Amino acid sequence: AQKITQTQPGMFVQEKEAVTLDCTYDTSDPSYGLFWYKQPSSGEMIFLIYQGSYDQQNATEGRYSLNFQKARKSANLVISASQLGDSAMYFCAMRGTGGYQKVTFGTGTKLQVIP
Amino acid sequence: DTGVSQNPRHKITKRGQNVTFRCDPISEHNRLYWYRQTLGQGPEFLTYFQNEAQLEKSRLLSDRFSAERPKGSFSTLEIQRTEQGDSAMYLCASSLDNTEAFFGQGTRLTVV
Repeated sequence: AQKITQTQPGMFVQEKEAVTLDCTYDTSDPSYGLFWYKQPSSGEMIFLIYQGSYDQQNATEGRYSLNFQKARKSANLVISASQLGDSAMYFCAMRGTGGYQKVTFGTGTKLQVIP
Repeated sequence: DTGVSQNPRHKITKRGQNVTFRCDPISEHNRLYWYRQTLGQGPEFLTYFQNEAQLEKSRLLSDRFSAERPKGSFSTLEIQRTEQGDSAMYLCASSLDNTEAFFGQGTRLTVV
């Protein structure tokens, strides 16, 4: 079974500052993928960044980076230079291999960027 | 528009009625997923197709729920004898193999 835990229901960040959103996971799969999605108030789920469990380097996509610590089973999302448009729900998710092809989501963190 | 498309966007139905939702995935994507999301929660997995084969179903998917992907392209999700607890956003996503899944805008179901 797979489990994603996001312990921060809500976060505030000042515009232009960096923020870290926490995510820990649990899986028995030797190979898995970790994802972050953004869900604005409009409702669509927007893919942000992906990290494979065997990737040697942390993933980066523009202002988004994933701080992957395999031994700690954590995959925190770092957003640099926050913008007002970053205000949204953020979901951490994972997908295993083999029999666990479904993507399992955490409960999300609501990020609010303050001007 | 080449993204994932879901129809209808909103559906209001009376308790006990049947409803059907449609999802058109990104054309080259072989995997299709259905999720349900209630207010304040993350999406919950319902079912997953690889091409036309339904490979995994959640225990959340009761006998009243059925999903099909007859030709490995679009998919339908039917809920029979709807209950108020079925009110939620139903999300469809597609992916090419193990790459990232792209989501549609969802169908919001309200059962009155």
